[in-house]
Amino acid sequence: EVQLVESGGGLVQPGGSLRLSCAASGFTFSDHFMDWVRQAPGKGLEWVGRTRNKANSYTIEYAASVKGRFTISRDDSKNSLYLQMNSLKTEDTAVYYCGRDRPYYYDISGHYAYYYFIDVWGKGTTVTVSS
Amino acid sequence: DIQMTQSPSTLSASVGDRVTITCRASQIISNWLAWYQQKPGKAPKLLIYRASSLEGGVSSRFSGSASGTEFTLTISSLQPDDFATYYCQQYDSYPITFGQGTRLEIK
Repeated sequence: EVQLVESGGGLVQPGGSLRLSCAASGFTFSDHFMDWVRQAPGKGLEWVGRTRNKANSYTIEYAASVKGRFTISRDDSKNSLYLQMNSLKTEDTAVYYCGRDRPYYYDISGHYAYYYFIDVWGKGTTVTVSS
Repeated sequence: DIQMTQSPSTLSASVGDRVTITCRASQIISNWLAWYQQKPGKAPKLLIYRASSLEGGVSSRFSGSASGTEFTLTISSLQPDDFATYYCQQYDSYPITFGQGTRLEIK
């Protein structure tokens, strides 16, 4: 069974740091791009960032709201995804989900590209930033 | 950034109704759009990708369509389990963005 399990959430003071983990099982983790998405209390979904796989040089994309403060990393040997969160603000309070990306191969007139969307989600871990 | 605007924000309907939720992108996203269903306290669940492709295991009562920058999610005959919040998401370009959500409630 494909499964993602987040951990590491908790209460932290503004300006503090926290590291979230996402343990993957049931699929070949190293093949996949992986995302972090968050949801503030009573609000909608907000994409946080994405890490590509080894074949794509482990490059990373971030949302502007977290760039420079959050760092996404992965350890393929441990089937794990991480989110290091520094300089936390009260507005970072949210449930944080990790998500597995599925590639969609697109070929038009010999030019091809892959597009990625989240097909599996973890249950989330709650981060509360408050004094 | 690409803005995704869903309408309505809240939709009241009855079991058996046919409902449509609309999502409009602020620029062309070439049908790189997904729909997710989320129930309170739960993670989102993938329903539709590539604007109209039904995810495996998802009821055929769900369907998606596209016309330019306007996308629709249709539920053909509402069942009690369908009352939830629905989000569209574009994955054409970074940053990936979601619509604000449509809450489907029982009338």
